[in-house]
Amino acid sequence: AQSVTQLDSQVPVFEEAPVELRCNYSSSVSVYLFWYVQYPNQGLQLLLKYLSGSTLVKGINGFEAEFNKSQTSFHLRKPSVHISDTAEYFCAVSGGATNKLIFGTGTLLAVQP
Amino acid sequence: DVKVTQSSRYLVKRTGEKVFLECVQDMDHENMFWYRQDPGLGLRLIYFSYDVKMKEKGDIPEGYSVSREKKERFSLILESASTNQTSMYLCASRTPGRNEQYFGPGTRLTVT
Repeated sequence: AQSVTQLDSQVPVFEEAPVELRCNYSSSVSVYLFWYVQYPNQGLQLLLKYLSGSTLVKGINGFEAEFNKSQTSFHLRKPSVHISDTAEYFCAVSGGATNKLIFGTGTLLAVQP
Repeated sequence: DVKVTQSSRYLVKRTGEKVFLECVQDMDHENMFWYRQDPGLGLRLIYFSYDVKMKEKGDIPEGYSVSREKKERFSLILESASTNQTSMYLCASRTPGRNEQYFGPGTRLTVT
């Protein structure tokens, strides 16, 4: 069975500082990995995805993530955050026969001025 | 752009009422999904549908049913709403062979 762990439920950071949101997964098959962002009172929006190829994936709004197979991780990074990045971020994995998405519990990124 | 719409953003219902949550997508996607989102639990899959009139249970189907009579519309039904079904409900759709799902804005349901 697949699972996703986001160890940090909340990450406070000052504006213009770098940030890393951690995501670890477990799976017995090849996986596809995703980061979604949810702004207050909105649905989920795809931030970036890893399907194959280069392990460094660039997404929208200046975010990027690196797939590390040996560490089973897919951490999300941004070199300089803005107040508008305040949102909840979800890591997700899919793969196997049904290709269902399995979500982590989310990390709230709180950017302070 | 893919657009997924949900019939209500906020809904308040009484215990025991039958509740319908509607989801419509405009991109001819075969696959559609219903999730509930609760603090600290992330998103959990309730039901999904591979195509019209096809449905499969997700991880937490108890107390819910679904209907997919047309390709663009996927309905979630709470036969007899209970307070533990107070939650945010999110609908999503996807084209088979592509892994990303596209989400609607969500319906925040309160059962009193």
